[in-house]
Amino acid sequence: GAVVSQHPSWVICKSGTSVKIECRSLDFQATTMFWYRQFPKQSLMLMATSNEGSKATYEQGVEKDKFLINHASLTLSTLTVTSAHPEDSSFYICSARTGQGRGYTFGSGTRLTVV
Amino acid sequence: AQSVTQPDIHITVSEGASLELRCNYSYGATPYLFWYVQSPGQGLQLLLKYFSGDTLVQGIKGFEAEFKRSQSSFNLRKPSVHWSDAAEYFCAVGAEKNRDDKIIFGKGTRLHILP
Repeated sequence: GAVVSQHPSWVICKSGTSVKIECRSLDFQATTMFWYRQFPKQSLMLMATSNEGSKATYEQGVEKDKFLINHASLTLSTLTVTSAHPEDSSFYICSARTGQGRGYTFGSGTRLTVV
Repeated sequence: AQSVTQPDIHITVSEGASLELRCNYSYGATPYLFWYVQSPGQGLQLLLKYFSGDTLVQGIKGFEAEFKRSQSSFNLRKPSVHWSDAAEYFCAVGAEKNRDDKIIFGKGTRLHILP
């Protein structure tokens, strides 16, 4: 089945630094990927929709300059958290349309801790 | 815009008892509906999905869900729960207008199992 590989699984960084999270579709082409954020014991909130070869579409309230999304190829989308602060600590999950049966495949998530 | 409501934040059932988790959606056309399960600190696993056709959908791990258009509901059921079913359950709704279709999650229902 369609697999999305997300790395790293967890990362700890110092406040003020930037962190990049990668999502790769391993056996299919993902023209569209979605990035979600999940605070502890809360639901997944859609941050942005990433389209290959074009600018990402951000949801209302999400700072596009802080959460940089790049979707340079059909198999790779990246989320960079710039100048990270402790309040950015969260669980980030990517998702891609598999293109078959209108399914969505999720990455395993990245737990970001900013200290 | 689509939205999802899961009215129960927590549900506690005894092992071996039946389970029903409620989900109501709001969308102007026929939605695509999903149920996902998430164990603590883990990613999402798809339990089942509904796109069209038979309104009773069978999923993995013995789960099923029924789409009721008249009630805008997509409740998840299991006839006999196991201790391993304790997790967070998310109902989600998607829509396909163009390639930027996205899925929106409910706030989740945490399932507790009594021995």
